[in-house]
Amino acid sequence: SQTIHQWPATLVQPVGSPLSLECTVEGTSNPNLYWYRQAAGRGLQLLFYSVGIGQISSEVPQNLSASRPQDRQFILSSKKLLLSDSGFYLCAWSLRGAEKLFFGSGTQLSVL
Amino acid sequence: QKEVEQNSGPLSVPEGAIASLNCTYSDRVSQSFFWYRQYSGKSPELIMSIYSNGDKEDGRFTAQLNKASQYVSLLIRDSQPSDSATYLCAVLDYGGSQGNLIFGKGTKLSVKP
Repeated sequence: SQTIHQWPATLVQPVGSPLSLECTVEGTSNPNLYWYRQAAGRGLQLLFYSVGIGQISSEVPQNLSASRPQDRQFILSSKKLLLSDSGFYLCAWSLRGAEKLFFGSGTQLSVL
Repeated sequence: QKEVEQNSGPLSVPEGAIASLNCTYSDRVSQSFFWYRQYSGKSPELIMSIYSNGDKEDGRFTAQLNKASQYVSLLIRDSQPSDSATYLCAVLDYGGSQGNLIFGKGTKLSVKP
């Protein structure tokens, strides 16, 4: 069966510090991978998605970036965090197309 | 801008009652619709999908779709306290190079014992 791992579960970072969140999927090959953010009082916002190694599509312009160095690994990064980057970050995977998304456990990021 | 709208709630129902959650969407060509349940501090989990007009039942859950009215709903029969969560409506958008889900902000449901 397929599983998705996301870490860390919580993170407190100062403004201006870098960020690296990692997500890995097991039990499937060539999945679509996604990064979402859920800010307080807002819906789930798609940040990035990837259909293959090195292929990244950005949905929202911001100071975040994503990379997919391996088939089942997806990384979310920032060089300098802003206060507005605080939120619940979720990695997700799907088979071809986005019809059924399966989410990781999420990272609660607080930028202070 | 394609949108999915939900009443944020909270919706409070007594245990054993029917909870009715509603969602409207702006893109008339949408064909695929999903309901996710999200417990506080946890990630969303898929509970229902619906693609055709009418009702789709799965245990205590029934999803209803009316494409003409651009309306999708979720009914939870015999509501239990364990159903207390935020319910997210999602619509598949084919506007990009591949389909991506657009989520509503969610309706918070509270089932009182």
